[in-house]
Amino acid sequence: LAKTTQPISMDSYEGQEVNITCSHNNIATNDYITWYQQFPSQGPRFIIQGYKTKVTNEVASLFIPADRKSSTLSLPRVSLSDTAVYYCLVGDIGAAGNKLTFGGGTRVLVKP
Amino acid sequence: EPEVTQTPSHQVTQMGQEVILRCVPISNHLYFYWYRQILGQKVEFLVSFYNNEISEKSEIFDDQFSVERPDGSNFTLKIRSTKLEDSAMYFCASSDTGTKSDTQYFGPGTRLTVL
Repeated sequence: LAKTTQPISMDSYEGQEVNITCSHNNIATNDYITWYQQFPSQGPRFIIQGYKTKVTNEVASLFIPADRKSSTLSLPRVSLSDTAVYYCLVGDIGAAGNKLTFGGGTRVLVKP
Repeated sequence: EPEVTQTPSHQVTQMGQEVILRCVPISNHLYFYWYRQILGQKVEFLVSFYNNEISEKSEIFDDQFSVERPDGSNFTLKIRSTKLEDSAMYFCASSDTGTKSDTQYFGPGTRLTVL
């Protein structure tokens, strides 16, 4: 299982772009990179997933360089409601071992 | 958008009592999971379930825990004799195909307090 490292916390202001970088030096060929968001006392919520290059959806963008040893989650123009913990997860696409392994995540605080 | 639901939202019980936490996964999903999160700690995997049997379980999921899909819609987690250290948020999740590239959708959680 590839270990991930991400900042413990980040502060931002409303309207700014937030970029959270996750390091996963031991990522394997079959591994996907997935980001979840968790608000206090709620279940994790899927944000975005990618394998390589760039992925964009209505919530965020995910940038993955060619060596795939890191990835950056980009949240455009954050609002106060984006205050949450963001988790970077890395895992293979095999059918065996379906569990998600969460690290400590990055606590993002958006200030007015 | 379909969602995973869980009941109750909060359960308070005495140590040694049995509790059953209930979940209704997304209707066309085939894989079901339980996770827990002790206050201030990481989300931890407990068990995955497919085709009416456990696919994988963690070290946390000992003989005091069991899971069941009693009908076509519910998925339950039973703790036979609760301990103080079982106090946590318990999250149910479901996914369609069960591979790690597959999105797992989480419910809102049940807060279990063991006194």
